Amino acid sequence: QKEVEQNSGPLSVPEGAIASLNCTYSDRVSQSFFWYRQYSGKSPELIMSIYSNGDKEDGRFTAQLNKASQYVSLLIRDSQPSDSATYLCALVHASGGSYIPTFGRGTSLIVHP
Amino acid sequence: NAGVTQTPKFQVLKTGQSMTLQCAQDMNHNSMYWYRQDPGMGLRLIYYSASEGTTDKGEVPNGYNVSRLNKREFSLRLESAAPSQTSVYFCASSADSGYTFGSGTRLTVV
Repeated sequence: QKEVEQNSGPLSVPEGAIASLNCTYSDRVSQSFFWYRQYSGKSPELIMSIYSNGDKEDGRFTAQLNKASQYVSLLIRDSQPSDSATYLCALVHASGGSYIPTFGRGTSLIVHP
Repeated sequence: NAGVTQTPKFQVLKTGQSMTLQCAQDMNHNSMYWYRQDPGMGLRLIYYSASEGTTDKGEVPNGYNVSRLNKREFSLRLESAAPSQTSVYFCASSADSGYTFGSGTRLTVV
């Protein structure tokens, strides 16, 4: 069983601030990591993927991966009320030739004006 | 460009009834997945199919069966629905760059 841990929140930040979302995982074999955003009543949508140690930036989003410490984080700069959603961390591990994604339970983010 | 299409969007079943949730993708992805999402539990994998003709159990397969009809379609069947299967069900398909989800089926078993 691959464990993916996220603080359920809610994480509340003011508009314009940096939101920092964290995720830890238990297995050292996982190679691919993803961040998804899910609005209430909607399906998850992909924000970013990261595969190697370090930072990856895409617009206002930065994903950070540290395989030695087994954590991956997502920074959202200049947070907007429209960023209010649940953020899901996912890792992918190989099993018998298949690639199996495991999701964390998500962190609820509230950006208040 | 439809992506992943799930039907139906909503369903109410009585305990013991059966039904099939349909999923189709038009992105030529090899792998497809069925998840359920319950409050506070996140997304839990029910079954997956790495390629046409293969299916495997995920974390919570009991009470479900699947069929990978062809490369596009992956269906989930509840043979005898139970109240514990009340949930939101998501189908997803994948390429190397990530997973694309359908809009979900909200199922209530009474």
